[in-house]
Amino acid sequence: EDQVTQSPEALRLQEGESSSLNCSYTVSGLRGLFWYRQDPGKGPEFLFTLYSAGEEKEKERLKATLTKKESFLHITAPKPEDSATYLCAVQALAERGYQKVTFGTGTKLQVIP
Amino acid sequence: DTGVSQNPRHKITKRGQNVTFRCDPISEHNRLYWYRQTLGQGPEFLTYFQNEAQLEKSRLLSDRFSAERPKGSFSTLEIQRTEQGDSAMYLCASSLMGEAFFGQGTRLTVV
Repeated sequence: EDQVTQSPEALRLQEGESSSLNCSYTVSGLRGLFWYRQDPGKGPEFLFTLYSAGEEKEKERLKATLTKKESFLHITAPKPEDSATYLCAVQALAERGYQKVTFGTGTKLQVIP
Repeated sequence: DTGVSQNPRHKITKRGQNVTFRCDPISEHNRLYWYRQTLGQGPEFLTYFQNEAQLEKSRLLSDRFSAERPKGSFSTLEIQRTEQGDSAMYLCASSLMGEAFFGQGTRLTVV
């Protein structure tokens, strides 16, 4: 069964203190790995899709990377507005052509001014 | 361009009542998903539509839950005889091929 494990569960950073979030996955036939940001009481907001090992994507202070077993979300010089829960999800081909998406439990990031 | 729209945003219901939620996906998206999310957890898959066909249902989905997507447009999720354990955020998402885009969810509270 597909598994997605995110670490740490929670992370508290000072403003400007760079760090990385980890997403480890076990999946048969990875079709894509997604990163989402979720604010309290709202739906997840799409950030990145990564398709193959070695791929990198960047957006403002965020950079996502992918290997064959894990993905990292690097946050450079974070600001308080980056505080949110960051979710990782993997997409794999399941039965009958359905592309199943499995989410991790997320990393709750708090950036202190 | 409007995103995925869900209604209502909040629903409080008494145990044993039936509830129905609506999702309007992004217009050109043929794939539609329903997820459930509880506090501190990631979204948990419930069911998936491609156009009007319901192609996948989670084994966790009891027979009290039913979903439809008539004509491949909007979708409804109905929960019959609600239980306190059904209290959660119900999320709808739509996609074309890869990444899915989520609505803001419907927060259900069963009292």
